[in-house]
Amino acid sequence: GAGVSQSPSNKVTEKGKDVELRCDPISGHTALYWYRQSLGQGLEFLIYFQGNSAPDKSGLPSDRFSAERTGGSVSTLTIQRTQQEDSAVYLCASSRSRTQYFGPGTRLTVL
Amino acid sequence: AQKITQTQPGMFVQEKEAVTLDCTYDTSDPSYGLFWYKQPSSGEMIFLIYQGSYDQQNATEGRYSLNFQKARKSANLVISASQLGDSAMYFCAMREGGGTSYGKLTFGQGTILTVHP
Repeated sequence: GAGVSQSPSNKVTEKGKDVELRCDPISGHTALYWYRQSLGQGLEFLIYFQGNSAPDKSGLPSDRFSAERTGGSVSTLTIQRTQQEDSAVYLCASSRSRTQYFGPGTRLTVL
Repeated sequence: AQKITQTQPGMFVQEKEAVTLDCTYDTSDPSYGLFWYKQPSSGEMIFLIYQGSYDQQNATEGRYSLNFQKARKSANLVISASQLGDSAMYFCAMREGGGTSYGKLTFGQGTILTVHP
């Protein structure tokens, strides 16, 4: 079946602009996760959604970062006023039990 | 303190040989899960194997096995009969907390495995 999909695959933006990254989880998966992968920081958890529970936002690095999940499916990660240190690959994962399945990621470059 | 430590930045192995990738972890939670993922140069994260803290036996999945030593807090990945396609970055990860299958993963820094023909 279809895996986790993310769009765009690449995004280049200028410092100070807002960006939106999209994640489509595997159908039927109730949990959705966002991670960030960068050379300096490795793989970091950002936020996760599980069913109707309040999201765990404990990994968001600043209030410029936010995410929502509509209808228990698609999620959008928004970064406002982007900074150069936001450059990274943003990975989305979904699960219906213990194993998280990852999408291909969005590579964000902030100039 | 690092929760997941992978001490081998890079490893080399000859094709068809076995290789062990090290992972140690730190948690005070009695209930946790340990995962290994493979990330080829294409960038996708591929799930390989899972070990629960209460599992009595070491996990195995085809050519992958997990050498789980709970008292030493280690969860090493063993790849048998290495193939050229095994060349990739390998991440060890942990999820803490029982009573649920959900929760964030904490990742190690990764080990780059290179398989030589």
